Amino acid sequence: GQNIDQPTEMTATEGAIVQINCTYQTSGFNGLFWYQQHAGEAPTFLSYNVLDGLEEKGRFSSFLSRSKGYSYLLLKELQMKDSASYLCAVLDSNYQLIWGAGTKLIIKP
Amino acid sequence: IAGITQAPTSQILAAGRRMTLRCTQDMRHNAMYWYRQDLGLGLRLIHYSNTAGTTGKGEVPDGYSVSRANTDDFPLTLASAVPSQTSVYFCASSEPGANVLTFGAGSRLTVL
Repeated sequence: GQNIDQPTEMTATEGAIVQINCTYQTSGFNGLFWYQQHAGEAPTFLSYNVLDGLEEKGRFSSFLSRSKGYSYLLLKELQMKDSASYLCAVLDSNYQLIWGAGTKLIIKP
Repeated sequence: IAGITQAPTSQILAAGRRMTLRCTQDMRHNAMYWYRQDLGLGLRLIHYSNTAGTTGKGEVPDGYSVSRANTDDFPLTLASAVPSQTSVYFCASSEPGANVLTFGAGSRLTVL
């Protein structure tokens, strides 16, 4: 079966750095996405990786290793507004998105 | 403001009743999707439509139906609601050739 694993919950301190991991086992791979979802709101797109390596976008970076079936989302200079759930999703060989259950990130002052 | 509008925002429904969740987009996206989101689970695809006039089944289609009469509208119908359909429902769309989804604000449905 297809599976996306990410930690259920993480806690970090304002101003610090946090890394949210995602491992996947899917039938084929056509890209990996990270979305941010604030409580009670819709998911919003953060990043897309299809090749190995690091993609940087402001305070957020996303890394992919296809050989290891692994990605992480790195958030720097954490702000209180970064408190949200972060969803990892993989586009499989049929171009269907397979979603992880999400990681709830709690930022403490 | 360009985007996706869902209605209703929230609804409490008696089991056995019929319910239609509405979804309208003004971005002229060809592809549209309906997902449900339940605590502890990833988003699960119910139905999708790659273009007006066509629809397809996702991971959890049973008990749901959709139609796509035009590009903008993609309603989701529960013919006879059951308590296990209590969930938050998200409509989404994507541009042709792209896989980045734009989501609506969601419809919270409670079936008693």
